[in-house]
Amino acid sequence: GAGVSQSPSNKVTEKGKDVELRCDPISGHTALYWYRQRLGQGLEFLIYFQGNSAPDKSGLPSDRFSAERTGESVSTLTIQRTQQEDSAVYLCASSLSGVGGYTFGSGTRLTVV
Amino acid sequence: EDQVTQSPEALRLQEGESSSLNCSYTVSGLRGLFWYRQDPGKGPEFLFTLYSAGEEKEKERLKATLTKKESFLHITAPKPEDSATYLCAVQGGNAGNMLTFGGGTRLMVKP
Repeated sequence: GAGVSQSPSNKVTEKGKDVELRCDPISGHTALYWYRQRLGQGLEFLIYFQGNSAPDKSGLPSDRFSAERTGESVSTLTIQRTQQEDSAVYLCASSLSGVGGYTFGSGTRLTVV
Repeated sequence: EDQVTQSPEALRLQEGESSSLNCSYTVSGLRGLFWYRQDPGKGPEFLFTLYSAGEEKEKERLKATLTKKESFLHITAPKPEDSATYLCAVQGGNAGNMLTFGGGTRLMVKP
């Protein structure tokens, strides 16, 4: 596609429920990143996929968070047993090779009530 | 660990009043410094990449410069449509390909 597409754009969920967030990167981009942005704060790295290499999961805040990517296409970020502190905008980005700037999607705003 | 600090946190300017935003960084082996613009409810939009001290990049009213310790985003004669949050990020040699972001500067330009 022309840009990075994320869905849903907004998600409200009850505390304790699981959620899945989807990211469709730019076609041909081998690198895909997930970041979290809490209200009024900077971007916090979560996880990085590069081609068929093992993902860099060093930013995942707890074992409730996981992500998958099929080849060089769609990625899903799953948050299990959501907590109120998980409320944030989750941003996905992709890049051609992993070196250089990213193209971001518009994000998924997650609200845990 | 790579670190990025942006100042000021917020900046109010009158239309036409030029100013600069600061990005101070510590990184092991800088591979690139990036500036992004973020509008409310949207993802960050790429502006510039700088790779080495002394490098400068320009786009319309914006000019980014880089030294070994900091980067500046100079805004010349800003307009209300330049109002946004400006984010700075670094890509270091020891952090894989992830970018480490600063907290951003929220710029408001009044007509």
